[in-house]
Amino acid sequence: NAGVTQTPKFRILKIGQSMTLQCTQDMNHNYMYWYRQDPGMGLKLIYYSVGAGITDKGEVPNGYNVSRSTTEDFPLRLELAAPSQTSVYFCASILKGVNTEAFFGQGTRLTVV
Amino acid sequence: AQKITQTQPGMFVQEKEAVTLDCTYDTSDPSYGLFWYKQPSSGEMIFLIYQGSYDQQNATEGRYSLNFQKARKSANLVISASQLGDSAMYFCALSGGYQKVTFGTGTKLQVIP
Repeated sequence: NAGVTQTPKFRILKIGQSMTLQCTQDMNHNYMYWYRQDPGMGLKLIYYSVGAGITDKGEVPNGYNVSRSTTEDFPLRLELAAPSQTSVYFCASILKGVNTEAFFGQGTRLTVV
Repeated sequence: AQKITQTQPGMFVQEKEAVTLDCTYDTSDPSYGLFWYKQPSSGEMIFLIYQGSYDQQNATEGRYSLNFQKARKSANLVISASQLGDSAMYFCALSGGYQKVTFGTGTKLQVIP
Protein backbone atom coordinates (compact mmCIF):
# COMPACT_ATOMS: atom_id res chain seq x y z
CA ASN A 1 0.00 0.00 0.00
CA ALA A 2 1.87 3.06 -1.27
CA GLY A 3 -0.42 5.72 0.27
CA VAL A 4 0.05 9.16 -1.31
CA THR A 5 2.82 9.42 -3.88
CA GLN A 6 4.16 12.72 -5.17
CA THR A 7 6.55 13.20 -8.05
CA PRO A 8 9.04 14.71 -8.53
CA LYS A 9 10.69 15.17 -5.13
CA PHE A 10 12.82 18.08 -6.30
CA ARG A 11 12.64 20.39 -9.30
CA ILE A 12 14.30 23.59 -10.48
CA LEU A 13 12.33 25.66 -12.97
CA LYS A 14 13.25 28.77 -14.88
CA ILE A 15 10.93 31.78 -14.75
CA GLY A 16 8.14 31.37 -17.29
CA GLN A 17 8.42 27.60 -17.58
CA SER A 18 5.51 25.28 -16.85
CA MET A 19 5.32 21.98 -15.06
CA THR A 20 2.92 19.50 -13.52
CA LEU A 21 3.31 18.11 -10.02
CA GLN A 22 1.88 14.62 -9.87
CA CYS A 23 -0.08 13.20 -6.95
CA THR A 24 -1.52 9.69 -6.79
CA GLN A 25 -3.19 7.84 -3.95
CA ASP A 26 -4.15 4.18 -3.89
CA MET A 27 -6.46 4.28 -0.84
CA ASN A 28 -9.66 5.14 -2.76
CA HIS A 29 -9.88 8.43 -0.88
CA ASN A 30 -12.50 10.90 -2.05
CA TYR A 31 -10.91 14.09 -0.83
CA MET A 32 -7.58 15.36 -2.07
CA TYR A 33 -5.66 18.55 -1.37
CA TRP A 34 -2.70 20.58 -2.54
CA TYR A 35 -0.80 22.77 -0.10
CA ARG A 36 2.26 24.93 -0.34
CA GLN A 37 4.64 25.57 2.54
CA ASP A 38 7.00 28.50 2.35
CA PRO A 39 10.15 28.39 4.51
CA GLY A 40 9.34 28.60 8.23
CA MET A 41 5.64 28.95 7.54
CA GLY A 42 2.48 26.88 7.78
CA LEU A 43 0.61 25.10 5.02
CA LYS A 44 -1.61 27.13 2.73
CA LEU A 45 -4.36 25.43 0.76
CA ILE A 46 -4.06 25.88 -2.99
CA TYR A 47 -6.83 23.66 -4.37
CA TYR A 48 -8.86 20.75 -3.17
CA SER A 49 -11.20 18.15 -4.59
CA VAL A 50 -14.09 16.26 -3.02
CA GLY A 51 -14.29 13.68 -5.79
CA ALA A 52 -13.54 12.96 -9.42
CA GLY A 53 -14.59 15.87 -11.59
CA ILE A 54 -15.00 18.30 -8.67
CA THR A 55 -12.37 20.83 -7.66
CA ASP A 56 -12.42 24.08 -5.73
CA LYS A 57 -10.06 26.90 -4.87
CA GLY A 58 -8.31 27.21 -1.55
CA GLU A 59 -6.57 30.24 -0.06
CA VAL A 60 -3.84 30.75 -2.67
CA PRO A 61 -5.00 29.41 -6.09
CA ASN A 62 -3.50 32.09 -8.35
CA GLY A 63 -0.91 30.75 -10.76
CA TYR A 64 -2.07 27.14 -10.40
CA ASN A 65 -4.56 24.80 -11.99
CA VAL A 66 -5.78 21.34 -11.06
CA SER A 67 -7.86 18.55 -12.51
CA ARG A 68 -9.38 15.40 -11.04
CA SER A 69 -10.32 13.04 -13.83
CA THR A 70 -9.95 9.94 -11.63
CA THR A 71 -10.27 9.20 -7.92
CA GLU A 72 -6.58 8.32 -7.74
CA ASP A 73 -4.90 11.29 -9.44
CA PHE A 74 -4.85 14.98 -8.59
CA PRO A 75 -2.16 16.78 -10.61
CA LEU A 76 -1.20 20.40 -9.93
CA ARG A 77 -0.23 22.51 -12.93
CA LEU A 78 2.02 25.56 -12.74
CA GLU A 79 1.81 27.84 -15.75
CA LEU A 80 4.42 30.57 -16.23
CA ALA A 81 6.45 29.81 -13.10
CA ALA A 82 7.46 32.78 -10.94
CA PRO A 83 10.02 33.08 -8.10
CA SER A 84 7.09 33.54 -5.67
CA GLN A 85 6.14 29.93 -6.37
CA THR A 86 9.36 28.65 -4.86
CA SER A 87 8.05 26.46 -2.06
CA VAL A 88 7.50 22.93 -0.84
CA TYR A 89 4.29 21.43 -2.18
CA PHE A 90 2.34 18.78 -0.32
CA CYS A 91 -0.48 16.62 -1.59
CA ALA A 92 -2.86 15.02 0.92
CA SER A 93 -5.96 12.83 0.92
CA ILE A 94 -8.79 11.84 3.29
CA LEU A 95 -11.36 9.06 3.07
CA LYS A 96 -14.93 10.33 3.02
CA GLY A 97 -16.81 9.59 6.21
CA VAL A 98 -13.69 8.53 8.08
CA ASN A 99 -12.12 11.89 8.71
CA THR A 100 -9.61 10.79 11.26
CA GLU A 101 -6.40 11.45 9.36
CA ALA A 102 -5.19 13.28 6.29
CA PHE A 103 -2.49 11.21 4.58
CA PHE A 104 0.35 13.27 3.15
CA GLY A 105 2.80 12.73 0.37
CA GLN A 106 6.49 13.32 0.97
CA GLY A 107 6.43 16.75 -0.64
CA THR A 108 7.93 18.34 -3.75
CA ARG A 109 10.60 20.99 -3.27
CA LEU A 110 10.30 23.47 -6.14
CA THR A 111 12.73 26.28 -6.85
CA VAL A 112 12.02 28.87 -9.53
CA VAL A 113 15.09 30.79 -10.72
CA ALA B 1 -15.25 30.68 6.37
CA GLN B 2 -13.11 28.71 8.73
CA LYS B 3 -10.05 29.87 10.59
CA ILE B 4 -7.42 28.21 12.72
CA THR B 5 -5.02 30.13 14.97
CA GLN B 6 -1.80 29.12 16.69
CA THR B 7 -0.48 32.03 18.72
CA GLN B 8 2.81 30.51 19.91
CA PRO B 9 5.49 30.77 17.22
CA GLY B 10 7.99 28.97 19.45
CA MET B 11 8.05 27.05 22.71
CA PHE B 12 10.74 25.56 24.93
CA VAL B 13 10.22 22.66 27.30
CA GLN B 14 12.53 20.75 29.56
CA GLU B 15 12.98 17.08 28.77
CA LYS B 16 10.50 14.87 30.69
CA GLU B 17 8.19 17.82 31.37
CA ALA B 18 4.72 18.27 29.88
CA VAL B 19 3.93 21.02 27.39
CA THR B 20 0.72 22.48 25.98
CA LEU B 21 0.52 23.86 22.46
CA ASP B 22 -2.39 26.21 21.89
CA CYS B 23 -4.88 26.12 19.05
CA THR B 24 -8.11 28.04 18.61
CA TYR B 25 -10.50 27.75 15.72
CA ASP B 26 -13.55 29.33 14.19
CA THR B 27 -16.10 27.66 11.97
CA SER B 28 -19.82 27.89 11.31
CA ASP B 29 -20.09 24.21 10.44
CA PRO B 30 -21.92 22.11 13.05
CA SER B 31 -19.74 19.10 12.27
CA TYR B 32 -15.99 19.44 12.03
CA GLY B 33 -12.74 17.77 12.95
CA LEU B 34 -9.49 18.93 14.46
CA PHE B 35 -6.09 17.42 13.71
CA TRP B 36 -2.57 17.83 15.02
CA TYR B 37 0.46 17.10 12.89
CA LYS B 38 4.18 17.03 13.66
CA GLN B 39 6.74 18.14 11.11
CA PRO B 40 10.34 17.29 12.02
CA SER B 41 13.28 18.98 10.32
CA SER B 42 13.23 16.26 7.66
CA GLY B 43 10.01 17.80 6.38
CA GLU B 44 7.42 15.02 6.37
CA MET B 45 3.99 15.50 7.95
CA ILE B 46 3.30 13.04 10.76
CA PHE B 47 -0.28 12.60 12.00
CA LEU B 48 -0.58 12.74 15.80
CA ILE B 49 -4.19 12.94 16.90
CA TYR B 50 -7.76 13.70 15.80
CA GLN B 51 -10.84 15.08 17.59
CA GLY B 52 -14.32 15.13 16.12
CA SER B 53 -16.67 17.93 17.11
CA TYR B 54 -19.24 15.46 18.44
CA ASP B 55 -16.77 13.33 20.36
CA GLN B 56 -17.68 13.42 24.04
CA GLN B 57 -14.24 12.55 25.32
CA ASN B 58 -10.91 14.20 24.66
CA ALA B 59 -8.75 12.22 22.24
CA THR B 60 -5.58 10.57 23.49
CA GLU B 61 -2.79 8.78 21.61
CA GLY B 62 0.07 7.62 23.79
CA ARG B 63 1.85 10.71 25.14
CA TYR B 64 -0.40 13.02 23.14
CA SER B 65 -3.77 14.27 24.30
CA LEU B 66 -6.08 16.87 22.88
CA ASN B 67 -7.71 19.25 25.35
CA PHE B 68 -10.93 20.00 23.46
CA GLN B 69 -13.05 22.85 24.83
CA LYS B 70 -15.87 23.29 22.36
CA ALA B 71 -17.46 26.34 23.97
CA ARG B 72 -14.13 28.16 23.92
CA LYS B 73 -13.31 26.83 20.43
CA SER B 74 -9.95 25.58 21.52
CA ALA B 75 -8.14 22.32 20.78
CA ASN B 76 -4.83 22.39 22.60
CA LEU B 77 -2.28 19.61 22.23
CA VAL B 78 -0.71 18.30 25.41
CA ILE B 79 2.54 16.34 25.16
CA SER B 80 3.46 14.54 28.35
CA ALA B 81 6.99 13.50 29.33
CA SER B 82 8.69 15.42 26.50
CA GLN B 83 11.52 13.73 24.67
CA LEU B 84 14.34 15.20 22.60
CA GLY B 85 12.73 13.66 19.52
CA ASP B 86 9.64 15.82 20.09
CA SER B 87 11.55 18.87 18.86
CA ALA B 88 9.70 19.83 15.68
CA MET B 89 7.05 22.08 14.19
CA TYR B 90 3.51 21.28 15.28
CA PHE B 91 0.48 22.18 13.20
CA CYS B 92 -3.16 22.30 14.18
CA ALA B 93 -5.70 21.81 11.39
CA LEU B 94 -9.46 22.13 10.99
CA SER B 95 -11.64 20.08 8.67
CA GLY B 96 -14.96 21.80 8.10
CA GLY B 97 -17.61 22.08 5.42
CA TYR B 98 -16.92 20.24 2.17
CA GLN B 99 -13.95 18.68 3.97
CA LYS B 100 -11.80 21.74 3.38
CA VAL B 101 -8.79 21.24 5.66
CA THR B 102 -7.12 24.43 6.89
CA PHE B 103 -3.84 24.55 8.79
CA GLY B 104 -2.54 26.95 11.40
CA THR B 105 0.82 28.70 11.14
CA GLY B 106 2.51 26.23 13.45
CA THR B 107 4.45 26.20 16.72
CA LYS B 108 8.13 25.32 16.83
CA LEU B 109 8.79 23.19 19.90
CA GLN B 110 12.30 22.76 21.23
CA VAL B 111 12.98 20.22 23.95
CA ILE B 112 15.92 21.11 26.18
CA PRO B 113 18.02 18.31 27.72
